[in-house]
Amino acid sequence: GQQLNQSPQSMFIQEGEDVSMNCTSSSIFNTWLWYKQDPGEGPVLLIALYKAGELTSNGRLTAQFGITRKDSFLNISASIPSDVGIYFCAGQQIIQGAQKLVFGQGTRLTINP
Amino acid sequence: DAGVTQSPTHLIKTRGQQVTLRCSPISGHKSVSWYQQVLGQGPQFIFQYYEKEERGRGNFPDRFSARQFPNYSSELNVNALLLGDSALYLCASSAVQSTYEQYFGPGTRLTVT
Repeated sequence: GQQLNQSPQSMFIQEGEDVSMNCTSSSIFNTWLWYKQDPGEGPVLLIALYKAGELTSNGRLTAQFGITRKDSFLNISASIPSDVGIYFCAGQQIIQGAQKLVFGQGTRLTINP
Repeated sequence: DAGVTQSPTHLIKTRGQQVTLRCSPISGHKSVSWYQQVLGQGPQFIFQYYEKEERGRGNFPDRFSARQFPNYSSELNVNALLLGDSALYLCASSAVQSTYEQYFGPGTRLTVT
């Protein structure tokens, strides 16, 4: 099925470091979303972007919606242990009134204390 | 308020069997979507139901079916199970049909042997 290209696939960092991950697509999306998924849990929405060029922050998280509407990035500043998990980007498509989210493959973040 | 709930948590089935997964949306939410998440991948859209009608369908075979009840809860049915159906099945609810604000449940882990 259709998926977004998310990179990197995994990251190993030291606590306190900044993190950057991005997502690209060959398709245009009207809304970009970033989720975090912990083991045994469903994805939790972190940030939503719905305007090309938009830069949005949520605490230590900052995300941007690319001008071309085909890409997005997520930055995490001053990482802490609870940031460990898998981060997914998702693009929203509305097809014949139905909402469909297309997800990337995920970025697994591991933090060394 | 309770979040999205799914049952069962885990399930083991044999090839060729049939399975039914259940989802209760957040109170007041009328839309339920189903996603399949294979290990190491992002979720893949299966269905969206709104006001008890199918509003969208992903690229899944007819062995997959779903329905939504008057109380907006939903069931996902998979017939003639294959090994490749082993995955985490996620349910997401939203208040209206076309909104990015979907809230995911913890999922049902299905293992087909």
